[in-house]
Amino acid sequence: EPEVTQTPSHQVTQMGQEVILRCVPISNHLYFYWYRQILGQKVEFLVSFYNNEISEKSEIFDDQFSVERPDGSNFTLKIRSTKLEDSAMYFCASTLGTGGKLFFGSGTQLSVL
Amino acid sequence: TQLLEQSPQFLSIQEGENLTVYCNSSSVFSSLQWYRQEPGEGPVLLVTVVTGGEVKKLKRLTFQFGDARKDSSLHITAAQPGDTGLYLCAGDLPNNNDMRFGAGTRLTVKP
Repeated sequence: EPEVTQTPSHQVTQMGQEVILRCVPISNHLYFYWYRQILGQKVEFLVSFYNNEISEKSEIFDDQFSVERPDGSNFTLKIRSTKLEDSAMYFCASTLGTGGKLFFGSGTQLSVL
Repeated sequence: TQLLEQSPQFLSIQEGENLTVYCNSSSVFSSLQWYRQEPGEGPVLLVTVVTGGEVKKLKRLTFQFGDARKDSSLHITAAQPGDTGLYLCAGDLPNNNDMRFGAGTRLTVKP
């Protein structure tokens, strides 16, 4: 089965530093998402992306966050100046159409020290 | 307040028992999905329900979508230790382009 791949699997950074989390969605998918999950807590929606622009974003996704699809395959999440509370597992997901099967990557564990 | 309330939050049962977990909301969804998540991994889709009143079966798992498309339940018959995991429901709101997750039910099935 095709899969969403995320790199790196673990990222440790200092508070205030910029991080870029990378994702390669499934090739024919059209909708892309970032979610995060703080340890032991719920999966939280961050942002959805379609047709090269953000279509929805949550209150978590403030101006410290940005997403990009720089080429035809990668989908990145940038955190401009990380805070301690940004420490979480970040999941990328993609789907062919809204309401369709959402395929998740295995996540990037971000630790902000 | 959460858009989707899942209950119970934790459930620990013996192998062979039956269980039901619930996903409730005051909002109407275009579709609702159930996922299972293992530690350190992303959620994996189990089922999607779309029609109010719909019932879907996946081996020992039975999923039901409420008539009003606001709630759903997952029933597991004769639970096995391999069923242990975090069960998440996620709803697709009409005219919206995201999936919102409940907080999950953490199930432990003891041998």
